[in-house]
Amino acid sequence: DAGITQSPRYKITETGRQVTLMCHQTWSHSYMFWYRQDLGHGLRLIYYSAAADITDKGEVPDGYVVSRSKTENFPLTLESATRSQTSVYFCASSELGTGLAIYFGEGSWLTVV
Amino acid sequence: AQSVTQPDIHITVSEGASLELRCNYSYGATPYLFWYVQSPGQGLQLLLKYFSGDTLVQGIKGFEAEFKRSQSSFNLRKPSVHWSDAAEYFCAVGAPNTGNQFYFGTGTSLTVIP
Repeated sequence: DAGITQSPRYKITETGRQVTLMCHQTWSHSYMFWYRQDLGHGLRLIYYSAAADITDKGEVPDGYVVSRSKTENFPLTLESATRSQTSVYFCASSELGTGLAIYFGEGSWLTVV
Repeated sequence: AQSVTQPDIHITVSEGASLELRCNYSYGATPYLFWYVQSPGQGLQLLLKYFSGDTLVQGIKGFEAEFKRSQSSFNLRKPSVHWSDAAEYFCAVGAPNTGNQFYFGTGTSLTVIP
């Protein structure tokens, strides 16, 4: 049971470059999420998706783009990376219904120089 | 508005001592409550969850949590802490009635001293 896999796990990029973080889940969960984790801020929701082709903004969406053409994939793109986007990014998935919980990937460490 | 507060940013306990991590939430309906643990360099792992029934729930690694509606609290406890419990702990509220949103506290960092 692979669960959620994120790639790359570690990335260094330059300011202004486009970066895409990949997320793949094997549970067929309807909901998928992208969070960023920064010291002093905890987890902040960037975007989420309720199903394929349905996405919505979270708390901190500016500078990010998402898509969800297939249920199992939810890539996050930084269109023009800035230093303030240096962070750890977590993809997660969930399913509605009794016993719902949110399950996380291992994280993607992104440094923008 | 939904929110989660973890009043303790950092806690230090001795190995073998008991532990209680506090969590208070604000949510208009019946909450779905969770505790997660994050070891350094890792993702968040689900420790336990509550959504109905017995207000004392058991989780993995010997943890338990008690839901107290009157206090809007969901505190995490462990009778005897092990050095391997040193990690960051997050409390979360799930809101299935508002687009399946999840709201996380800012976390409590646990240090365990020998």
